[in-house]
Amino acid sequence: KNQVEQSPQSLIILEGKNCTLQCNYTVSPFSNLRWYKQDTGRGPVSLTIMTFSENTKSNGRYTATLDADTKQSSLHITASQLSDSASYICVVSLSNDYKLSFGAGTTVTVRA
Amino acid sequence: SQTIHQWPATLVQPVGSPLSLECTVEGTSNPNLYWYRQAAGRGLQLLFYSVGIGQISSEVPQNLSASRPQDRQFILSSKKLLLSDSGFYLCAFRTGRTNTGELFFGEGSRLTVL
Repeated sequence: KNQVEQSPQSLIILEGKNCTLQCNYTVSPFSNLRWYKQDTGRGPVSLTIMTFSENTKSNGRYTATLDADTKQSSLHITASQLSDSASYICVVSLSNDYKLSFGAGTTVTVRA
Repeated sequence: SQTIHQWPATLVQPVGSPLSLECTVEGTSNPNLYWYRQAAGRGLQLLFYSVGIGQISSEVPQNLSASRPQDRQFILSSKKLLLSDSGFYLCAFRTGRTNTGELFFGEGSRLTVL
């Protein structure tokens, strides 16, 4: 069972609309959580990083939230653009391990 | 600046042929290096990681092997490819002695085994 669960698996939204992606994790001990954006056929690129003490972090139209108590994170995309079409991956780093835990990703399709 | 280069970008190989994917990192020293595989519509699966020259940890039993002949060079190999080896392979690195650093990915190598 994957210890980082993302939902929904995929979604389609109209250009200009907002959407929210969810990430629930069970891994520990928690160090930080990152959201990555992966365009089709490319390597993932980091969007935001959240540490244990941070609740909200923004990067342009992307806003990530973290509730370390419930082990939940979300990524909100505001005023979506066609270029937001990509897979968004939630990645959790542990404080005692070189490995990272990956979610399966949410595929976002923005349509004109 | 720190950069990562991975090649080849695309590879079509027959079953039973050998494989060599290369990855190099520039602009940093002693990075942690990773090889991941991503099947279509699936998440990233960690194949190998290395914390230093000659130090390779394998995550899953498979038909692949990895080597780190130099500090900033990571190679993924196979002696005989299987159909199931097809996929999108990503090399990545992370710096720093803690586990909080960002993971930087290469552009990926798409392998098709026929």
